[in-house]
Amino acid sequence: DAKTTQPPSMDCAEGRAANLPCNHSTISGNEYVYWYRQIHSQGPQYIIHGLKNNETNEMASLIITEDRKSSTLILPHATLRDTAVYYCIVSLFGNEKLTFGTGTRLTIIP
Amino acid sequence: GAGVSQSPRYKVAKRGQDVALRCDPISGHVSLFWYQQALGQGPEFLTYFQNEAQLDKSGLPSDRFFAERPEGSVSTLKIQRTQQEDSAVYLCASSLMGQIIYEQYFGPGTRLTVT
Repeated sequence: DAKTTQPPSMDCAEGRAANLPCNHSTISGNEYVYWYRQIHSQGPQYIIHGLKNNETNEMASLIITEDRKSSTLILPHATLRDTAVYYCIVSLFGNEKLTFGTGTRLTIIP
Repeated sequence: GAGVSQSPRYKVAKRGQDVALRCDPISGHVSLFWYQQALGQGPEFLTYFQNEAQLDKSGLPSDRFFAERPEGSVSTLKIQRTQQEDSAVYLCASSLMGQIIYEQYFGPGTRLTVT
């Protein structure tokens, strides 16, 4: 699986959009980008995934650059409950292993 | 509905003791995964089951680690002769489909402390 690079930490004001970047410059054509988050003392939670088109669901939006070498997870209106570690994962679709890395610790500031 | 449950939530073991950690996946989920999460790190893959078959155990750190899922539902991760470096949170996850996996549902984890 391709390696990902994320900033170790970010802050965002409550109510604002949180934009979490991820670099995956070695991604191959059939690898997907997945995002999970882990709230303190809980297991990771799936957020969203995509291949090359932008994706949106009830939790977030995923913007993937045209060359697929980077992506951004957007939480449109961050709340205090969004404080968590966010993991960007690149993997073949159907690959049973998730390789998490160290993620970005997002803190929402009241 | 009920999510993935794990027991016990916390376990303290003396070095050299054997421990057994239990995972109850979401009913009907074909795939089951175990991960190990050291303090301050992301989860690391240990092993994967599809129904009762253990298809990948490449992440198990040593032969002291053993996992089973005999009836394709509940799974147990056993660690023999525990060492201090085994201290971690052990996470279990399940997924509905056997072949196409994009969303894994995680339990809350078991925090193992070896003293």
